[in-house]
Amino acid sequence: AQSVTQLDSQVPVFEEAPVELRCNYSSSVSVYLFWYVQYPNQGLQLLLKYLSGSTLVKGINGFEAEFNKSQTSFHLRKPSVHISDTAEYFCAVSDLRRDDKIIFGKGTRLHILP
Amino acid sequence: KAGVTQTPRYLIKTRGQQVTLSCSPISGHRSVSWYQQTPGQGLQFLFEYFSETQRNKGNFPGRFSGRQFSNSRSEMNVSTLELGDSALYLCASSPRGVDTGELFFGEGSRLTVL
Repeated sequence: AQSVTQLDSQVPVFEEAPVELRCNYSSSVSVYLFWYVQYPNQGLQLLLKYLSGSTLVKGINGFEAEFNKSQTSFHLRKPSVHISDTAEYFCAVSDLRRDDKIIFGKGTRLHILP
Repeated sequence: KAGVTQTPRYLIKTRGQQVTLSCSPISGHRSVSWYQQTPGQGLQFLFEYFSETQRNKGNFPGRFSGRQFSNSRSEMNVSTLELGDSALYLCASSPRGVDTGELFFGEGSRLTVL
């Protein structure tokens, strides 16, 4: 069965420092990969997506992610975080062959320290 | 363009009761999907409706059901509520479906079962 693992449940980082949020998924031939962000008391918002093509994907708010097929990873990065980036981040995989079409990781809570 | 609207935002029920949640998608979006979010299980896909037909379904018991109307508005129903059904229920609309991952989420309906 398809699964998504977000290795860190919480990540503290100082403001203006770089950050990487890790995501691994179980192997599959055809998957789409996504990162979503959830700000407090809000629904999820799509940050970026990988469907095909270039393995480096740029999203909103200065975030980017790199698809690594050999390591089945899709880590999210930002070179310099801001206090407004405080939120929970979810990695998700869509496996076109499955009925439960999209699977989310458990989430990583990003804490920005002043 | 108005976003995804979910009602009610908060509700409290007792075990054995039933509940109906409503979701109004973004105008023009034909796909509506539902998710259950809990601290323990994270975000789990419930089902997707596309043009009034259930297209996909996650691993939830038959107590969880839904429907979609001709105007794309969707309702989700949970019968015979259990304590474990306490969760944030999120609805997402999409122009082309869950597969694409282009999901636009509402703010959710927080259900507490006593």
